[in-house]
Amino acid sequence: SQQGEEDPQALSIQEGENATMNCSYKTSINNLQWYRQNSGRGLVHLILIRSNEREKHSGRLRVTLDTSKKSSSLLITASRAADTASYFCATDPYTGRRALTFGSGTRLQVQP
Amino acid sequence: DGGITQSPKYLFRKEGQNVTLSCEQNLNHDAMYWYRQDPGQGLRLIYYSQIVNDFQKGDIAEGYSVSREKKESFPLTVTSAQKNPTAFYLCASSIGRDYSNQPQHFGDGTRLSIL
Repeated sequence: SQQGEEDPQALSIQEGENATMNCSYKTSINNLQWYRQNSGRGLVHLILIRSNEREKHSGRLRVTLDTSKKSSSLLITASRAADTASYFCATDPYTGRRALTFGSGTRLQVQP
Repeated sequence: DGGITQSPKYLFRKEGQNVTLSCEQNLNHDAMYWYRQDPGQGLRLIYYSQIVNDFQKGDIAEGYSVSREKKESFPLTVTSAQKNPTAFYLCASSIGRDYSNQPQHFGDGTRLSIL
């Protein structure tokens, strides 16, 4: 079963607007990661946030983590057409399995 | 440049045939992973390996097999027992010692279809 579930499933915005994607998960975690996937390509790691962190920034990306609500959000500011991609969260649930669990993703379309 | 190479990019399987997808990395990573991605869906873990000569089943291992004889290589065989193999297959690697605290590096995938 998917540990992380992204919301919304799809998002369409105009260039220059901000895009916010959310990820909810079910069990306690150590860290949460966000990845980006361009169509037909592999995933690219964007950012990792630890369970004792509440917010992290990287360029135009801002990630928040609320462990009490078991949720995270990814904000892309001043979006560009090149940001068009699918975005996935990945968690490391306490299951004894030494592998990440990926969500189903948010497909972001940025209109020029 | 260090990275992960998956081959072939496109693969076609005939009824009753086994096919093998190649994954090679030159990042000196201990851990390697295979994922299956169906259209518009997330990634589902097939197999993973934390060290040479050892591997573990993921969520959807039935109909698949792997080997890890070398650190750099983690081939995936899609057997005839996998009745619905059409999907995008992604290989990834990570440093491995602290899997949750390290990013995964991905190849560009193999798209498998049934003839």
